[in-house]
Amino acid sequence: EVQLLESGGDLVQPGGSLRLSCAASGFRFSTYSMSWVRQAPGQGLEWVASISTTGGTTYYADSVTGRFTISRDNSKNTLSLQMNSLRDADTALYYCTKGSATPRPLKFDYWGQGILVSVSS
Amino acid sequence: DIQMTQSPSSLSASVGDRVTITCRASQNIMTFLNWYQQKPGKAPKLLVYTASSLQDGVPSRFSGSGSGTDFTLTISSLQSDDFATYYCQQSYGTPYTFGQGTKVDMK
Repeated sequence: EVQLLESGGDLVQPGGSLRLSCAASGFRFSTYSMSWVRQAPGQGLEWVASISTTGGTTYYADSVTGRFTISRDNSKNTLSLQMNSLRDADTALYYCTKGSATPRPLKFDYWGQGILVSVSS
Repeated sequence: DIQMTQSPSSLSASVGDRVTITCRASQNIMTFLNWYQQKPGKAPKLLVYTASSLQDGVPSRFSGSGSGTDFTLTISSLQSDDFATYYCQQSYGTPYTFGQGTKVDMK
């Protein structure tokens, strides 16, 4: 059974930093692209970042480029999102998602339960 | 960026109804189109990928169609478990973009 378990969410002040982690199990982690998708309170879904199977290629939404870094550790089956220079607009539920066995994800076929990041002074 | 526009934004329906949700892309995305279902307080669930392929375990009353810029998600006979919000998403290229969602509630 595929499981994605996010951690690291917190309340942080604007300009602060946070690191999210996602522990993956139930599938061969190293052979799938992975992504983060977020959802602001009461709003729709917004793609944040994706990473290829080896970690050699990363993709970012314009809204987080230069501030967020996606990474993975295939030896530990872990996906991470380092978030710097956080803004109020980054407040959201962040989902870890499993992609497809392709260089970039063509679908988000499994989702974690989400982890809340709140940015407020 | 590719804009995804869903219609309607919301609809009311009864159990047994046939429900159709449309999604329009701002440019040709071939069949790189996915559909998700989200219930309140839950993570989204993939229903249909590459426009018409049903994800494993998804009931056959769900179907997807379309290519290019116009796509449709159809629920052939709405069940009580289907009241939820539905999102389309293009995977043609980054930034991946979602439609604004269609909320299906009980009439």
